Amino acid sequence: RKEVEQDPGPFNVPEGATVAFNCTYSNSASQSFFWYRQDCRKEPKLLMSVYSSGNEDGRFTAQLNRASQYISLLIRDSKLSDSATYLCVVTSGTYKYIFGTGTRLKVLA
Amino acid sequence: GAVVSQHPSWVICKSGTSVKIECRSLDFQATTMFWYRQFPKQSLMLMATSNEGSKATYEQGVEKDKFLINHASLTLSTLTVTSAHPEDSSFYICSARDNWGGDYPRETQYFGPGTRLLVL
Repeated sequence: RKEVEQDPGPFNVPEGATVAFNCTYSNSASQSFFWYRQDCRKEPKLLMSVYSSGNEDGRFTAQLNRASQYISLLIRDSKLSDSATYLCVVTSGTYKYIFGTGTRLKVLA
Repeated sequence: GAVVSQHPSWVICKSGTSVKIECRSLDFQATTMFWYRQFPKQSLMLMATSNEGSKATYEQGVEKDKFLINHASLTLSTLTVTSAHPEDSSFYICSARDNWGGDYPRETQYFGPGTRLLVL
């Protein structure tokens, strides 16, 4: 079983739709959690870190469920510019990142 | 804040050439930097952790004599691909961890824009 698992997609959604991604992790001792977005042929850019209390940044909401060992990302009112690959990242006791495979999102006009 | 630069952004070279890539944290100090490689349609693969003032820690399967890492200051790490071959062609990305964390967890990494290496 992979340490961090994501549905690779692609998720094709119309503009204005709400879309949610989940990511599961296997190590219950995992400490920090992040969502990054990566555009084609570019570097990952930090979207948000994820906390148990949940956090929101504009149209983006992230949640952490430690009991079930998953994190989620909700995007409301999808824009064309949201089309990207969304990477789930977990750290476990060291500074090393453990990446999910990424979920591809395509927002359609 | 938390800007990481990488240079060069593109390299095309002949087989057998050594290629040096620089990674700089522009507005923060980074004791720890990371070097990744990404092949098309795959996720990032960590190659090594670069520690300021000490030897890099390489991931399993990464040859340390092939990929030389130097982290001589708190804002600069370099990766040298020695005697590059076509199979070394890839997208090389560095990241840096802000020593002070700021608003984010201390593990947060900020990525450079990457270097595309093509070895002919």
